[in-house]
Formats: sequence, C-alpha cells, structure tokens
Amino acid sequence: GAVVSQHPSWVICKSGTSVKIECRSLDFQATTMFWYRQFPKQSLMLMATSNEGSKATYEQGVEKDKFLINHASLTLSTLTVTSAHPEDSSFYICSARPTWTGWRQPQHFGDGTRLSIL
Amino acid sequence: AQTVTQSQPEMSVQEAETVTLSCTYDTSESDYYLFWYKQPPSRQMILVIRQEAYKQQNATENRFSVNFQKAAKSFSLKISDSQLGDAAMYFCAYRGSNYQLIWGAGTKLIIKP
Repeated sequence: GAVVSQHPSWVICKSGTSVKIECRSLDFQATTMFWYRQFPKQSLMLMATSNEGSKATYEQGVEKDKFLINHASLTLSTLTVTSAHPEDSSFYICSARPTWTGWRQPQHFGDGTRLSIL
Repeated sequence: AQTVTQSQPEMSVQEAETVTLSCTYDTSESDYYLFWYKQPPSRQMILVIRQEAYKQQNATENRFSVNFQKAAKSFSLKISDSQLGDAAMYFCAYRGSNYQLIWGAGTKLIIKP
C-alpha cells in the first residue's frame, strides 16, 4: 500500500518548452504533497508544499511563475516547469502525506523524474 | 531553524562487515522524528528506519539499527553484515511539527566485495 506514481520518469525537451510532471497517490488520498529538486550528488531540496484545493507554498528562492504547482484533487498534484531552460535540468521528486494519518506517519515518495532540457 | 549534518561524504566497508553512518541535528523542538533514507542508483527514495524522539529505545529493522542520543542530538545508523545491495547514498532527515523534512547532505556507502 501507499504507492506514489510519478510520471514521466524521464523527459527530454527543447529549451523554451513547458513540461508537466504528475504525482499521483494510487491507493490513498493525499491532502499534502511535496515537490523536491535534487542536483547530482546532492541532497533533496524542498521546492514547495502543495495542499489540495489551495495555493502551493513555495520555499524561498523558488520562482512561483517558473514552477507552477496544481493540486486539484486528493490524488494528483502536478508540477509544470514553464519555459524550461538548460539550468532547469534536474531530478524532481514528489512525496505525499496520506490524509488519513496523523503527522507521525512518513511521507511516501514517487520514483522521481529526470528532466533534461536541450 | 532545524539543521541536519552528515559529516561523512563517503564511507566504505567490506562485505559482511559492520559500518556506522553519522548524523547530528539541531532543533529546539521536543517532539520530532528522525529518518534514514537510502537512495540507490535508481534514485528511488527508500525508508530504511525511523525514530520517534520521545522513545528512548533505539529503533531496529533487521540488519539496520540506530544509536539515538537525544541530549547530544546524534542519530547514527549501523548496518550489520553489509551486503552488496546496501551500496547507495544514505540520507539522514529530520521532521518536526510542520511535517517538512530537513535533509542531511548524504553519505555515499561503498561495499567492497
């Protein structure tokens, strides 16, 4: 149980295009989802916290207009990288907090998306 | 603000031996969770073990155990009988009342056959 599906797993696109990454909780509802970015050989960096039905909370230094987050349902959050450029190339990971659990339960992670901008 | 420090960028151990990965943290909260995550080359984040701050007993999961020293704010991971499949990046993480994870820089574990 508690499976998080992230799609696509790898995407290559041209500079200037927009890319959407989906994060789905398959067997549970998730009021809160988190989006992370990870550079090679580095740790995870929290980009934003996504809450169903409300605006995402972005961490300091993360461009809201560049990284659009939508959490329209209890099982789906999307991250759209708008007008992507090579410096946006990275590994993006989402995680989800099950609605039915208290704060003592761990987040469940997707398998990540490797984004390469040419 | 909470911080997590992993001072060992890389560790190596002979297969079947025991290795300990270090982690220290700083917080003013009294109730929190600590985690060790494993990230193999596939980059999937795998929860290895977790510890509740109010529990004095150290958590254990098969070959993985922790040494949790609350006063010293230390949370080390011991891997016994190391196996080739244990090779990965290991991240220590703190989670407080706001449910956000604070991550350490990671330790790359190399298993020598």
